[in-house]
Amino acid sequence: AQKVTQAQTEISVVEKEDVTLDCVYETRDTTYYLFWYKQPPSGELVFLIRRNSFDEQNEISGRYSWNFQKSTSSFNFTITASQVVDSAVYFCALSEASSYGQNFVFGPGTRLSVLP
Amino acid sequence: DAGVIQSPRHEVTEMGQEVTLRCKPISGHNSLFWYRQTMMRGLELLIYFNNNVPIDDSGMPEDRFSAKMPNASFSTLKIQPSEPRDSAVYFCASSPDRAGGYTFGSGTRLTVV
Repeated sequence: AQKVTQAQTEISVVEKEDVTLDCVYETRDTTYYLFWYKQPPSGELVFLIRRNSFDEQNEISGRYSWNFQKSTSSFNFTITASQVVDSAVYFCALSEASSYGQNFVFGPGTRLSVLP
Repeated sequence: DAGVIQSPRHEVTEMGQEVTLRCKPISGHNSLFWYRQTMMRGLELLIYFNNNVPIDDSGMPEDRFSAKMPNASFSTLKIQPSEPRDSAVYFCASSPDRAGGYTFGSGTRLTVV
């Protein structure tokens, strides 16, 4: 069965600091997808990125960057120069593309607090 | 595009009553998902539709829960009879394909008293 671990339950940083959120996953499939979502205090879930298992290129989007390493089964998320508006719960998720249906598992989330 | 639309935003009901949650996915998205979020269990996938057909309902907690998707633009999640332990935020999400990259609705906060 697939599994997603986000070992950091809560992180607090001061504005403008860089912060990395860790995500480690387990799957037996060779084809899978990894995701990050943001859930701000308002409660909605915001899709940030999707990465398939065959694309190990790191990605940068503004202050956000993602480091996908299959060798360590990790898909870490870095926010550069954090801002107060980045305060939210961040979820890593895994989707296996094999066979019947679609297995999709969220990690427990990391609560990020960015202090002014 | 208006995004995924869920209604109601909040629902308070008494134990034993029937509750129906509604979802309108993004036009053109052929996959629809229902999730439940609680403090204790986090985000759980309840059921997944592809092209209006239920593909995987293994996450549905018990027979009191049922979901339908009569057409590509509408889905319902029904709980009958409701119980206090069903209190949670229920999210609907749609995706253009089965892999994910979902767009979530704003959620329905259900409170069963």
